[in-house]
Amino acid sequence: TQLLEQSPQFLSIQEGENLTVYCNSSSVFSSLQWYRQEPGEGPVLLVTVVTGGEVKKLKRLTFQFGDARKDSSLHITAAQPGDTGLYLCAGELNAGGTSYGKLTFGQGTILTVHP
Amino acid sequence: GAGVSQSPSNKVTEKGKDVELRCDPISGHTALYWYRQSLGQGLEFLIYFQGNSAPDKSGLPSDRFSAERTGGSVSTLTIQRTQQEDSAVYLCASRPPGQINYGYTFGSGTRLTVV
Repeated sequence: TQLLEQSPQFLSIQEGENLTVYCNSSSVFSSLQWYRQEPGEGPVLLVTVVTGGEVKKLKRLTFQFGDARKDSSLHITAAQPGDTGLYLCAGELNAGGTSYGKLTFGQGTILTVHP
Repeated sequence: GAGVSQSPSNKVTEKGKDVELRCDPISGHTALYWYRQSLGQGLEFLIYFQGNSAPDKSGLPSDRFSAERTGGSVSTLTIQRTQQEDSAVYLCASRPPGQINYGYTFGSGTRLTVV
């Protein structure tokens, strides 16, 4: 059973379209992070959200943390071919949890944006 | 160096041989993590070192896997009697002290192929 369910697993869209990636769990996280990974490289941090209901924007990317801190979403507006890559959500459980101090990753979303 | 350095970048080994993977974290980062990633998938936690505390080995898949961290810096992940199912990209990451909600900085990984 995956602690973090990420969907969709694959996304193929045309340049200019909008998209949303979801990350859901039954657990409460102290923080949730989004990473982007390109082939042959390690994941690179995009954003960290820590407060329930928090919304952060990074150019055309909007990240939201659910009010109960159990879920998150990544929305990309007017996608470009340069957005192509593997997007990963990762959560850190509350301090009282046995997983404190380490991140649990979702399965990832492979995004392909066609010119 | 400025980033997390992993070596070798690629390793092909015969089934049954032992391999050692090296990670050199960012100077001053007290937390060091090893993850494993299968093709296009999310990251599977292996082991976590935090300062002088006992490592969290809860993710190691079998007793063929072990890791050590010498002098609070460089870490080595050892896989004994490699099997074909061990083929994956092994990623190392580090994080600064006291920054529990901060993101990881990943290396580029070691691609291990067991033939």
